[in-house]
Amino acid sequence: KNQVEQSPQSLIILEGKNCTLQCNYTVSPFSNLRWYKQDTGRGPVSLTIMTFSENTKSNGRYTATLDADTKQSSLHITASQLSDSASYICVVSDRGSTLGRLYFGRGTQLTVWP
Amino acid sequence: EADIYQTPRYLVIGTGKKITLECSQTMGHDKMYWYQQDPGMELHLIHYSYGVNSTEKGDLSSESTVSRIRTEHFPLTLESARPSHTSQYLCASSEPGDLQGTDTQYFGPGTRLTVL
Repeated sequence: KNQVEQSPQSLIILEGKNCTLQCNYTVSPFSNLRWYKQDTGRGPVSLTIMTFSENTKSNGRYTATLDADTKQSSLHITASQLSDSASYICVVSDRGSTLGRLYFGRGTQLTVWP
Repeated sequence: EADIYQTPRYLVIGTGKKITLECSQTMGHDKMYWYQQDPGMELHLIHYSYGVNSTEKGDLSSESTVSRIRTEHFPLTLESARPSHTSQYLCASSEPGDLQGTDTQYFGPGTRLTVL
């Protein structure tokens, strides 16, 4: 069964600290993995997208890694800011159709305290 | 900020009412999607469209219907709302990526629907 599992479910850190969010997936055949940021009451916004041939991608203070062999990904946030408080969603796409079926994780709820 | 809009942002209605959730995008994207999301849960695809006059049901069974008469407009309709329809509804559109299946999806702000 194709699944995307994220951990931790929630995380609280102090402003300025770093953190790492985890994503494990069983989606096959794998096409790509995306990380989205979703602010409360808003739609998700894309942070990164990685295909099977990429093992790291950065977007400002966000760095995503991908290990296609172990089917794991992480999102590292450096020097956190209050505005980083949001839900971070891992999304994996398969290669089974033109649409590119998307499998969503439940997200990690990050709270950054001053 | 993506140019995709949803109205209303919040809606509280009584059981049995007919409602239409509006979604429009100004990016000229052919592909559009409707997702349903409950608090703390993953997004579930309920409808999608490849272009004008194209609509398909998604993975999650939904009593809603959609239409795509114009590229920029993808409304979702519930003929008779019930409390089980209470949820957040997110509309999205996508542009093709460099590789097949790597489309970037742009989401609207969502409509939070409460059916009493």
